[in-house]
Amino acid sequence: KNQVEQSPQSLIILEGKNCTLQCNYTVSPFSNLRWYKQDTGRGPVSLTIMTFSENTKSNGRYTATLDADTKQSSLHITASQLSDSASYICVVRGGATNKLIFGTGTLLAVQP
Amino acid sequence: SQTIHQWPATLVQPVGSPLSLECTVEGTSNPNLYWYRQAAGRGLQLLFYSVGIGQISSEVPQNLSASRPQDRQFILSSKKLLLSDSGFYLCAWSVRGGTSARETQYFGPGTRLLVL
Repeated sequence: KNQVEQSPQSLIILEGKNCTLQCNYTVSPFSNLRWYKQDTGRGPVSLTIMTFSENTKSNGRYTATLDADTKQSSLHITASQLSDSASYICVVRGGATNKLIFGTGTLLAVQP
Repeated sequence: SQTIHQWPATLVQPVGSPLSLECTVEGTSNPNLYWYRQAAGRGLQLLFYSVGIGQISSEVPQNLSASRPQDRQFILSSKKLLLSDSGFYLCAWSVRGGTSARETQYFGPGTRLLVL
């Protein structure tokens, strides 16, 4: 079954600290993997996208990695800010019908 | 630049009442359009997608329907709401004809629906 699992479910860190969010998937065949940021009560906004041949992609303080062999991805946030408080969603496109499969997200709270 | 609008932002409806949520996109033509539902603690679930006027594909059997009367307008409807229809409804668009390897879906602000 094509699934996307994220960990942890929630995370609290202090402002200025770094953190890493994990995404494991069982989707096959694989097309791409995207990380979205969703502020509370808003729609998701794309942060990064990686295809099979890419293993690192950065967007400012956000760095995503992809290991297509182990089917794992991570999102590293550097020098966290209060505005980073949001839900981070891992989305994999793939499977027999090449559809988007969404993870349930990691809820990040950055405290002053 | 492209923008996507959804309304209303929040809606409280009694069980058995009808529903109509609207989504419009500006600044682009012939977009792919999508309706998603996000239940508490669950991932986004694709409900409907459309590649053109009057063309609707349903992903899951349910109490809802969708229509696309104009190129940049997508409507989500129900004749009789159920308690299980409560959730956060998101509309999204993407460029039609692009390669799926790089396709980006742009989401609207969402509508929070509470069925009592």
